[in-house]
Amino acid sequence: DIQMTQSPSSLSASVGDRVTITCRASQDIRNDLGWYQQKPGKAPKRLIYAASNLQSGVSSRFSGRGSGTEFTLTISSLQPEDFATYYCLQHNSYPRTFGQGTKVETK
Amino acid sequence: QVQLVESGGGVAQPGRSLRLSCAASGFSFRTYGMHWVRQVPGKGLEWVAVLWSDGSKEYYGDSVKGRFTISRDNFENTLYLQMNSLRAEDTAVYYCAREDYGRLGRDFYYYGMDVWGQGITVTVSS
Repeated sequence: DIQMTQSPSSLSASVGDRVTITCRASQDIRNDLGWYQQKPGKAPKRLIYAASNLQSGVSSRFSGRGSGTEFTLTISSLQPEDFATYYCLQHNSYPRTFGQGTKVETK
Repeated sequence: QVQLVESGGGVAQPGRSLRLSCAASGFSFRTYGMHWVRQVPGKGLEWVAVLWSDGSKEYYGDSVKGRFTISRDNFENTLYLQMNSLRAEDTAVYYCAREDYGRLGRDFYYYGMDVWGQGITVTVSS
């Protein structure tokens, strides 16, 4: 099974900050990675697919990079609505695996 | 609009069964693979199972293999999850989700889950 190691598990930031979250895969997953945002009591929402493709309707302040085993999600200028938990998901093989999540909290 | 709506959750005793449903609308259900994902309250997301669009292949997470069965009715646009031999650790919010894909000629490319239901709570307790 492919293990996804996401870091940090939490971070504190202010509105306007640039935020970067990292996911590392235990083996090469090409660019088969997505990023999701989840707010309390809500379903996850996809932000990025295939490592770097922005989901339609998602703000361009979100961007994804990487391939192989190392991936990043960057929020260029954190907005109040961005405080949430973020997950990566590898869709290269089964079983599908998520990262442990990164909770973005207000400083 | 594209929508997934789960139902069938509730409280069940350990060792008993429960069946979840996920009603799809607004898209061609029969052409999409479908997943179940769960989340223990306060914890992360755990992938549970997937079923191919035509029902020809299915995969399960290790924690539910042999106890849960995913199925679908492409005429009724509905996905199911039959959960048997329930355990306390199966207590979670269960989401159904659609597998995004693209096609180039005869090749298919898969992009993970793009549409999710609102989730349904399953509590396993005596």
